[in-house]
Amino acid sequence: SQKIEQNSEALNIQEGKTATLTCNYTNYSPAYLQWYRQDPGRGPVFLLLIRENEKEKRKERLKVTFDTTLKQSLFHITASQPADSATYLCALRLSYNTDKLIFGTGTRLQVFP
Amino acid sequence: NAGVTQTPKFRILKIGQSMTLQCTQDMNHNYMYWYRQDPGMGLKLIYYSVGAGITDKGEVPNGYNVSRSTTEDFPLRLELAAPSQTSVYFCASSSQIRDPSGNTIYFGEGSWLTVV
Repeated sequence: SQKIEQNSEALNIQEGKTATLTCNYTNYSPAYLQWYRQDPGRGPVFLLLIRENEKEKRKERLKVTFDTTLKQSLFHITASQPADSATYLCALRLSYNTDKLIFGTGTRLQVFP
Repeated sequence: NAGVTQTPKFRILKIGQSMTLQCTQDMNHNYMYWYRQDPGMGLKLIYYSVGAGITDKGEVPNGYNVSRSTTEDFPLRLELAAPSQTSVYFCASSSQIRDPSGNTIYFGEGSWLTVV
């Protein structure tokens, strides 16, 4: 069956460290993958997109990698801050011709001072 | 800077009642979506629309109906509410025209619905 897996356990790290979140998928061949941030009681907010032919994408303190062989994306936040505390969702778009995103369940990140 | 606006924010329904969740966007996006999010679960697509007059089912359409008479509005109707429809509902929009391969999706703030 098709699955998207994100670590359901919260990730707790100390301020200043690099947070790494994982998104694994099975039985999909996504055209691209997106990462969203969701704060409690709010809607998800788009962060980064990476295409199937891209290995890595960066935006300020954020970095996303995409390994289509391993069927895995890693999401890194460098020099993490308490304000980065939120739930992070990965989402797959299966082709350029469809508009449906398949979302993972999200991983909660807690950055403590 | 309104973006995607949903109403109501919170609602309690009795089993068997009907209601409509309203959604409007002011970004002139052609694509609109309704998702539901249950605790510990990912967002599930209920219905989506690629333009006025065109709608299609997502992963979990049963018990819901939508219409898209204008570019701006995409209401979600619940008929005969059931406890299984207790969830948080998110409306979203994106622009295929402006971002053909990216399709960044912009979400509303959510509507918390409880069916008792």
